[in-house]
Amino acid sequence: EAGVTQSPTHLIKTRGQQATLRCSPISGHTSVYWYQQALGLGLQFLLWYDEGEERNRGNFPPRFSGRQFPNYSSELNVNALELEDSALYLCASSQLQGKGQYFGPGTRLTVT
Amino acid sequence: GENVEQHPSTLSVQEGDSAVIKCTYSDSASNYFPWYKQELGKRPQLIIDIRSNVGEKKDQRIAVTLNKTAKHFSLHITETQPEDSAVYFCAASWTSGAGSYQLTFGKGTKLSVIP
Repeated sequence: EAGVTQSPTHLIKTRGQQATLRCSPISGHTSVYWYQQALGLGLQFLLWYDEGEERNRGNFPPRFSGRQFPNYSSELNVNALELEDSALYLCASSQLQGKGQYFGPGTRLTVT
Repeated sequence: GENVEQHPSTLSVQEGDSAVIKCTYSDSASNYFPWYKQELGKRPQLIIDIRSNVGEKKDQRIAVTLNKTAKHFSLHITETQPEDSAVYFCAASWTSGAGSYQLTFGKGTKLSVIP
């Protein structure tokens, strides 16, 4: 069974630009979650999508947004990038009635 | 919303000793408690989980205990090995009978196993 995949692995942007990160969940998983992990810090919840709908969002400004496609893949968009947006962005997926969330390898976003 | 506190933030043990990481949660409706291990530069991996209708669960050298009354749960690693060195995250969530769920994570414990 293929795991959660994310692309790109690394992304370098300059302040003010936009970044788009992509995630493909495990086959059969309908929920996708996005987390931000800044260096040395924990996992901060960003967004949760299920069946194409945004179910909840964490304490992040509106310039963090995303969507989920009919095939359950998802993308995270970050507009007007700021230096403090530099972090590892992790995507996780779970099944409806699932046992746990399974993480992708992450996208390392660097804002210069 | 749910709040999860995790202690200690760092833990060093000698190889072969046991390690214990403790977490407390605030929402009494939480009923699912997974633990994740994140090695340096890698993704968090689910290593064990427990549901609120169970008090203890064991998988080889790893065990998790849950005290619903006190709203705390713990990870126990016995006979630690150098490859157990990683950051461990606890989490808590409320799950509906037929729905998905959202996890709230603790801030992590960096475990170092000294050979």
